[in-house]
Amino acid sequence: EIVMTHSPATLSVSPGERATLSCRASQSVSSNVAWYQQKPGQGPRLLIYDASIRASGIPVRFRASGSGTDFTLTITSLQSEDFALYFCQQYHHWPGTFGLGTKVEIK
Amino acid sequence: VQLVESGGGLVQPGGSLRLSCAASGFTVTTNYMGWVRQAPGKGLEWVSIIYSGGTTYYADSVKGRSTISRDNPKNTLYLRLNGLRPDDSAVYYCARGAQLERRYSYYYYVDVWGKGTTVTVSS
Repeated sequence: EIVMTHSPATLSVSPGERATLSCRASQSVSSNVAWYQQKPGQGPRLLIYDASIRASGIPVRFRASGSGTDFTLTITSLQSEDFALYFCQQYHHWPGTFGLGTKVEIK
Repeated sequence: VQLVESGGGLVQPGGSLRLSCAASGFTVTTNYMGWVRQAPGKGLEWVSIIYSGGTTYYADSVKGRSTISRDNPKNTLYLRLNGLRPDDSAVYYCARGAQLERRYSYYYYVDVWGKGTTVTVSS
């Protein structure tokens, strides 16, 4: 099973600052990675697929990159609604596995 | 496009539940659909999947104890769970998979999630 590992587990950031989140796969997953945002009591929301493509309606401040085993999600100029849990999923190896996520909290 | 789960609750070990997922804005039977669960303090894991053609998948942890199905007129996805154990306690999310085709291979990521329904197995 492919293990997806996030770093850091928690990221404290001030509103307006940049947040950089990392996700590493235990083996190559090509560019078959998605990123999701989850707020307490809500289901996840798709942000990014194919490692770097923003889903419909996702603001341009969400940028992502990576391939192989290392992936990055960057949130430029954090807004109040961006404080949440972010996790990645690899779907290269079916049925796909999810990371535990990075919690982005207000500094 | 929306998914709304129901049917979770408190059940005793060995009991059964049927989770429902009502879809709106698209047709369940023409999509890759499934159930993903998240136990307290653990990551998300696929529990069961049903392809548009009807082929099903079950995680080893629920194989033999669960059945995924769908109702076309009601546009609803179901998951029947039997022989429930405490380690089945989790939030269960209904999910729609988006299909990508590359070089004759298919890949699926989740593009729509429900809000989840909580299953607690305890005496």
